[in-house]
Amino acid sequence: DQQVKQNSPSLSVQEGRISILNCDYTNSMFDYFLWYKKYPAEGPTFLISISSIKDKNEDGRFTVFLNKSAKHLSLHIVPSQPGDSAVYFCAARPGTYKYIFGTGTRLKVLA
Amino acid sequence: EAGVVQSPRYKIIEKKQPVAFWCNPISGHNTLYWYLQNLGQGPELLIRYENEEAVDDSQLPKDRFSAERLKGVDSTLKIQPAELGDSAVYLCASSLRGNSPLHFGNGTRLTVT
Repeated sequence: DQQVKQNSPSLSVQEGRISILNCDYTNSMFDYFLWYKKYPAEGPTFLISISSIKDKNEDGRFTVFLNKSAKHLSLHIVPSQPGDSAVYFCAARPGTYKYIFGTGTRLKVLA
Repeated sequence: EAGVVQSPRYKIIEKKQPVAFWCNPISGHNTLYWYLQNLGQGPELLIRYENEEAVDDSQLPKDRFSAERLKGVDSTLKIQPAELGDSAVYLCASSLRGNSPLHFGNGTRLTVT
């Protein structure tokens, strides 16, 4: 049972445009959400997080939106850069310290 | 600040052989995690430590996997005996507290032949 779903395995975006990565979840107990970026042969790197009491969090070019009623979160990258090409994982926590990860979306930013 | 250090980076062994992975978390991080990542999947939790205590090992296949975190700092994950299906990347992560973002090491890629 996949509690955190990333339904798009891959995404291609032109440099300078917006990248939107999506994540859906099923467990209404999730109270904290994170996005990680992963380059090949490296471990995932923390990008940005959001608590369930908020609907938006922004950090530079990265913004995460949370829609609790739809059980949906998204990561917006504006403007996209070639260095953003990586696999992006969303993760969620059900009120405990057990983080559950999605399967990832591979983003390719075209120069 | 030094990141999470894992060794070895790569390991190739024959099935039925034992293997061990080592992790040194970020200094001061009390919570340590071992995750398993199969190809095309997200990381899946194997075990979580708070200091030297294993507080969540429900996902650890205890018939062949074992872990320890002596003195609440470094940790070792062992598989004995390894099976073909154990081929994956084993990730270690640490966090300042249980509710802080995880910081991952670069992982150990295990290949069992």
